[in-house]
Amino acid sequence: AQSVSQHNHHVILSEAASLELGCNYSYGGTVNLFWYVQYPGQHLQLLLKYFSGDPLVKGIKGFEAEFIKSKFSFNLRKPSVQWSDTAEYFCAVRGGGNKLTFGTGTQLKVEL
Amino acid sequence: GAGVSQTPSNKVTEKGKYVELRCDPISGHTALYWYRQSLGQGPEFLIYFQGTGAADDSGLPNDRFFAVRPEGSVSTLKIQRTERGDSAVYLCASSLQGGVSYEQYFGPGTRLTVT
Repeated sequence: AQSVSQHNHHVILSEAASLELGCNYSYGGTVNLFWYVQYPGQHLQLLLKYFSGDPLVKGIKGFEAEFIKSKFSFNLRKPSVQWSDTAEYFCAVRGGGNKLTFGTGTQLKVEL
Repeated sequence: GAGVSQTPSNKVTEKGKYVELRCDPISGHTALYWYRQSLGQGPEFLIYFQGTGAADDSGLPNDRFFAVRPEGSVSTLKIQRTERGDSAVYLCASSLQGGVSYEQYFGPGTRLTVT
């Protein structure tokens, strides 16, 4: 069975600070990895995804994530956060089949 | 274009009652998914449809939960004899096809409260 662990449940940053959110997964085979974001009052939407190839993937709004296979990790980064990045962030993995397995989420608050 | 829509947005019901939650996927999307998100948790997979058939229902927690998609578009999640533990946000997602390359687009969810 696949599982996802997000280490930070709540993160508070000041604008322009750098962000790194941790994500580790457990699955023995080939995986697809995702970060989803949910802005206040909005739907879950895809931020970025990794299927294969370059382990450093870039997504929308300046976010990027690095897949490190040896560490079973897919951490999300952004060099300089903005107040509008305040949201909940979910890491997800797809192993065998089509279902996504999500982590518990990280609530990010960016203060002005 | 129109995204995934779900109705109702909120549903309050008494313990033991039957409820139906509806999902309208993006037009032309053949794959449809149901997830459940409890407070403080990430979404948890329930069931996946490819066309009219349930291709994977391994996430349904017990036989009180059932879902249908009779014409391959709209889907209904049905919960019998609701329990307080069923309270959650029920999310629907659709994708163009069911393969791994296709992004899942999520709806706004139905918040179910069982009193």
